[in-house]
Amino acid sequence: QSALTQPRSVSGSPGQSVAISCTGTSSDVGSYKYVTWYQQHPGKAPKLIIFDVSERPSGVPDRFSASKSGNTAFLTISGLQAEDDADYYCCSYSGSYSWLFGGGTKVTVL
Amino acid sequence: QITLKESGPTLVKSTQTLTLTCTFSGFSLTNSGAGVGWIRQPPGKALEWLAFIYWDDDKRYSPSLKNRLTITKDTSNNQVVLTMTNIVPVDTATYYCVRNNIFDYWGQGTLVTVSS
Repeated sequence: QSALTQPRSVSGSPGQSVAISCTGTSSDVGSYKYVTWYQQHPGKAPKLIIFDVSERPSGVPDRFSASKSGNTAFLTISGLQAEDDADYYCCSYSGSYSWLFGGGTKVTVL
Repeated sequence: QITLKESGPTLVKSTQTLTLTCTFSGFSLTNSGAGVGWIRQPPGKALEWLAFIYWDDDKRYSPSLKNRLTITKDTSNNQVVLTMTNIVPVDTATYYCVRNNIFDYWGQGTLVTVSS
């Protein structure tokens, strides 16, 4: 099993939108509605921001949205804010009760 | 309030066995559907899922590490224990315990350094 593929970095100015892709295969992202996204600030534990492909936990701002098409999942951050400067990881169920993470994407707010 | 906290050695020598304990509160591992897992992150690198245990004692392991991992639970003390055998320096990482199979709550993590 290989890790899911994410871009190493994306950047945007405050107020802009950025999108992060997460590419897997037909054995993971493409087969299940169990894609999650996590935000991690330096020195902190990751925080769940999206589950079941596009659902937001309570308390997560609606500027975070997500979707999936085929073997690729997407996280979009709209109205970028300074506090969104962080690392973002996707994760997918990959069958047989196992999970795969992406390599992580550094979002820089310019 | 749901909390999880990892504990264990901060420094381990190569070839030894690592034992980490996750002590949690605010939920019960006896409830149907509940589970606790372990995820690690080498310094400056990505997250890696390691293992998961369900309320019914069903256990799941990363295919690449399953021969070295054992996960157990102690429901009376609200603890989950992960053991990893034959530790090597590349196992140096921050180890996190997490709740449920969407990893909705995370512990603060514990950094384990493996010396050669």
